[in-house]
Amino acid sequence: DAGITQSPRYKITETGRQVTLMCHQTWSHSYMFWYRQDLGHGLRLIYYSAAADITDKGEVPDGYVVSRSKTENFPLTLESATRSQTSVYFCASSISGRGTDTQYFGPGTRLTVL
Amino acid sequence: EDQVTQSPEALRLQEGESSSLNCSYTVSGLRGLFWYRQDPGKGPEFLFTLYSAGEEKEKERLKATLTKKESFLHITAPKPEDSATYLCAVIGSGYSTLTFGKGTMLLVSP
Repeated sequence: DAGITQSPRYKITETGRQVTLMCHQTWSHSYMFWYRQDLGHGLRLIYYSAAADITDKGEVPDGYVVSRSKTENFPLTLESATRSQTSVYFCASSISGRGTDTQYFGPGTRLTVL
Repeated sequence: EDQVTQSPEALRLQEGESSSLNCSYTVSGLRGLFWYRQDPGKGPEFLFTLYSAGEEKEKERLKATLTKKESFLHITAPKPEDSATYLCAVIGSGYSTLTFGKGTMLLVSP
């Protein structure tokens, strides 16, 4: 049971480049989430998706783009990376968005923008 | 706006020395409070969900409790393998998203 996977696990890029982080889940969960984790800020929600083709902004969406054409995949794109986007990115999924459903997290992608 | 404050930021214990971590929250209509454990370089791992004041849940050396304003994660006779960052998160009425605290980093020395 693979669960939820993220790729790449580590990425170094340069300012201005486009970067896509991948997230894949095998549970057929309806909801998927993208968070970033920074020292002093904890986990902050970037975007989430309730189903294929349905996405919504979280707390810190600026500079990021998401899409969800298939239930199992939820890629996060940084269209023009900035140094402030250096962070650890976590993808999560839950059965539904009722609020009482547990969110399960992937292993994370450590992104460095030079 | 939902808010979660965890204390202390860091806690160092000797093996076997019991203690508690605190999670204070402000939320409109609590629907659930979640505790996660996060090891270095890994994603958060789910521990507990609490739904209403007075509720308690246990798992091995961990016990989570909930009041109307805060939650405690009690660690009884901790072992070095309990060393991790513990995260608290809440979700309020009308939302589908969690609000996380900044976490408590626990170090248990042998």
